[in-house]
Amino acid sequence: DAGITQSPRHKVTETGTPVTLRCHQTENHRYMYWYRQDPGHGLRLIHYSYGVKDTDKGEVSDGYSVSRSKTEDFLLTLESATSSQTSVYFCAISVAGGIQETQYFGPGTRLLVL
Amino acid sequence: AQSVTQPDIHITVSEGASLELRCNYSYGATPYLFWYVQSPGQGLQLLLKYFSGDTLVQGIKGFEAEFKRSQSSFNLRKPSVHWSDAAEYFCAVVFNDYKLSFGAGTTVTVRA
Repeated sequence: DAGITQSPRHKVTETGTPVTLRCHQTENHRYMYWYRQDPGHGLRLIHYSYGVKDTDKGEVSDGYSVSRSKTEDFLLTLESATSSQTSVYFCAISVAGGIQETQYFGPGTRLLVL
Repeated sequence: AQSVTQPDIHITVSEGASLELRCNYSYGATPYLFWYVQSPGQGLQLLLKYFSGDTLVQGIKGFEAEFKRSQSSFNLRKPSVHWSDAAEYFCAVVFNDYKLSFGAGTTVTVRA
């Protein structure tokens, strides 16, 4: 257990509204990631962070922004939610830095955009 | 182009039978390879990983995987499946620094 929590765990929102998902870790790991999971696509990287205020885009970053103002929290914001952003969102942390990393995942947030 | 493929979307296996899940990748070098399992409604759990060395890797829950460079494959196996192994399994690969690429997943159903 890498001490990862996500909030909220479930959310229903309306198209056009902003939504923020929170990932919190208790062990001060440097690397944090946001993925979305959709049937037939596995998990796809949205954004990741390699330190406080250091973030970069992943494969499917359009319509999403992130912020990391302190080590333990990594926030994912849907600036104006669309139905195509209905998904399950997973946060992950990397315990060891470097290319041979192992990532550990949070429990996920189910988001429904109506 | 770099890619990871899981050819089987869904596999059904009888309890006690053996299981093999396929994973293939396209890459010009040897990547770092992982298998994760996701039980219904849960997050992902790491089963095993391969970085280098012995090409047969042992993992948790009785799983093993074999890296075959000539076939660009990293197949997951279990000799005797239990009902609790019903889940979705993901192969994942690190091609570039810090970025995992996932296959689409294979759903395993275990019948009594």
